[in-house]
Amino acid sequence: AQSVTQPDIHITVSEGASLELRCNYSYGATPYLFWYVQSPGQGLQLLLKYFSGDTLVQGIKGFEAEFKRSQSSFNLRKPSVHWSDAAEYFCAVVLTGGGNKLTFGTGTQLKVEL
Amino acid sequence: KAGVTQTPRYLIKTRGQQVTLSCSPISGHRSVSWYQQTPGQGLQFLFEYFSETQRNKGNFPGRFSGRQFSNSRSEMNVSTLELGDSALYLCASSLGEVQDTQYFGPGTRLTVL
Repeated sequence: AQSVTQPDIHITVSEGASLELRCNYSYGATPYLFWYVQSPGQGLQLLLKYFSGDTLVQGIKGFEAEFKRSQSSFNLRKPSVHWSDAAEYFCAVVLTGGGNKLTFGTGTQLKVEL
Repeated sequence: KAGVTQTPRYLIKTRGQQVTLSCSPISGHRSVSWYQQTPGQGLQFLFEYFSETQRNKGNFPGRFSGRQFSNSRSEMNVSTLELGDSALYLCASSLGEVQDTQYFGPGTRLTVL
């Protein structure tokens, strides 16, 4: 079945440590790929997106993501986490020809220990 | 530039009632999408409107409907509310193409008692 999977429901990291959040998709063709962040009581904010080209994508707030076609993955990374990064992170896809319909993963809740 | 605004921010209704939520997109944006967010089902796409026409629709019952006005403002309506409709309803606006960033509003928290 077509799906977006975020295998980690919760992740805890220490401030200053590196971070990697996993995202896998299961679609016949490569979809458009996105990472969003949601802080408590807030809407979603786009961190970065991938449509084509360079497989390493730079985003806002020091985040980057790497698209790996062979693994159907689009993992989000940050070299050094700040306490303000604590939030919920969502991977999302839009299928080619699917208009603007975002299909989201279940999210990963990030906790940052000081 | 003002962001996406949603009104009201919080709403309490009882089963069987109906509710209308409003979304004002960023100026110049012609696409408005609606999403439902619940702890159990996560984020689910409801529908998208572009230039007053529904362009995409998710898998929700007919009790969920929407519309878009000529100024791109959008409303969604839920009739005959059920307890399971309690959720955060988010709207997002964009210029309209898939490569255009979708900007989300803060959401409307609907509680059905």
